[in-house]
Amino acid sequence: EVQLVESGGGLVQPGGSLRLSCAASGFKFSIYWMTWVRQVPGKGLEWVANIKQDGSETYYVDSVKGRFTISRDNARNSLYLQMNSLRVEDTAVYYCARDGVDSVTKYHWGQGTLVTVSS
Amino acid sequence: EIVLTQSPATLSLSPGERATLSCRASQSISHYLAWYQQKPGQAPRLLISDASNRATGIPARFSGSGSGTDFTLTISSLEPEDFVVYYCQQRSNWPLTFGGGTKVEIK
Repeated sequence: EVQLVESGGGLVQPGGSLRLSCAASGFKFSIYWMTWVRQVPGKGLEWVANIKQDGSETYYVDSVKGRFTISRDNARNSLYLQMNSLRVEDTAVYYCARDGVDSVTKYHWGQGTLVTVSS
Repeated sequence: EIVLTQSPATLSLSPGERATLSCRASQSISHYLAWYQQKPGQAPRLLISDASNRATGIPARFSGSGSGTDFTLTISSLEPEDFVVYYCQQRSNWPLTFGGGTKVEIK
């Protein structure tokens, strides 16, 4: 069974940093694209970032470029999102999702972790 | 950036009725469109990939169609658990984008 468990969310002040983690199990992590998607409570979904199987390609939504970094550790079956220079508008539930081998459709999702940016 | 416009924003129907949800892309995305369902308090769940491929475990009452710029998610006969929110997502171009969602509510 595919399992994705996010951690690392919490309350942080504007300008601060946070690192999200996603522990993956139940599948061969190293052969899939992985992604972060966020959702402001009560609002729609927003794609944040994607990373290729070997980490050689990463993609970001414009609003986080230069502030967020997606990475992965295939030996630890883990996905990360380093978030710096956080803004109030980054407040959201952050979901980790597993994409396909050759597709960035989000086949499996974690339950999400809430990030609140507030003073 | 490819903009996905979902309509209607809210769809009011009764159990047993047929639901037709629309997703329109601002430019051609071939068949690179997925549909997700999200229940309150839960993560989204993939329903349909590449416009018309039902995901594993998804009931046959859910079907997808379309290509280019116009796509449709059809629920042939609404069950009580189907009255939730649905999103489309394109994977044709970076950045990936989602539609704004359609809420299916009980009439």
